[in-house]
Amino acid sequence: KNEVEQSPQNLTAQEGEFITINCSYSVGISALHWLQQHPGGGIVSLFMLSSGKKKHGRLIATINIQEKHSSLHITASHPRDSAVYICAVRKGAQKLVFGQGTRLTINP
Amino acid sequence: DGGITQSPKYLFRKEGQNVTLSCEQNLNHDAMYWYRQDPGQGLRLIYYSQIVNDFQKGDIAEGYSVSREKKESFPLTVTSAQKNPTAFYLCASTQLGRILFFGSGTQLSVL
Repeated sequence: KNEVEQSPQNLTAQEGEFITINCSYSVGISALHWLQQHPGGGIVSLFMLSSGKKKHGRLIATINIQEKHSSLHITASHPRDSAVYICAVRKGAQKLVFGQGTRLTINP
Repeated sequence: DGGITQSPKYLFRKEGQNVTLSCEQNLNHDAMYWYRQDPGQGLRLIYYSQIVNDFQKGDIAEGYSVSREKKESFPLTVTSAQKNPTAFYLCASTQLGRILFFGSGTQLSVL
């Protein structure tokens, strides 16, 4: 069993819908990252969080340390949000474990 | 603008050949990483370096080598010992465990 599991693996929605991507992990962590990978392959960091909730524009990330679970929400989704979203957890100072990613497609 | 530059974007390797992937950063970050991405799998750590002239093996280091002679540069060599090198390779850097910065990646294929 992977230490980091994301769901769903694939998600297709219509423009304007509220999107939720989930990440569950089974190990102790010092931080959790949400990353976005566009079709060209480059990856951008969206959030790093160790507790509570963070918001940036239409993106919201939450984490529940006790339940070992994090969610990434996108409000008023847009076709340009189409990408692969990756959850990664930090174990110790340098070790990162990555989820398999969630492929999101937003149709106009 | 600060960032990470990976080159080349596409690389082809012949049988028995060593190839080197370049990674340069101007973010003044101490820590640098190399990851391999295969379709349908999460990123896997090949090597990482926390300081100049020091580096550590990751989970899948066999068939790869690195050097860290300068803070800005962390090249990855895919040796002929790596029997399944076709993958997307990503370089990343960070400072003191903060957010990660990634390069745009190199797609390596075997001829």
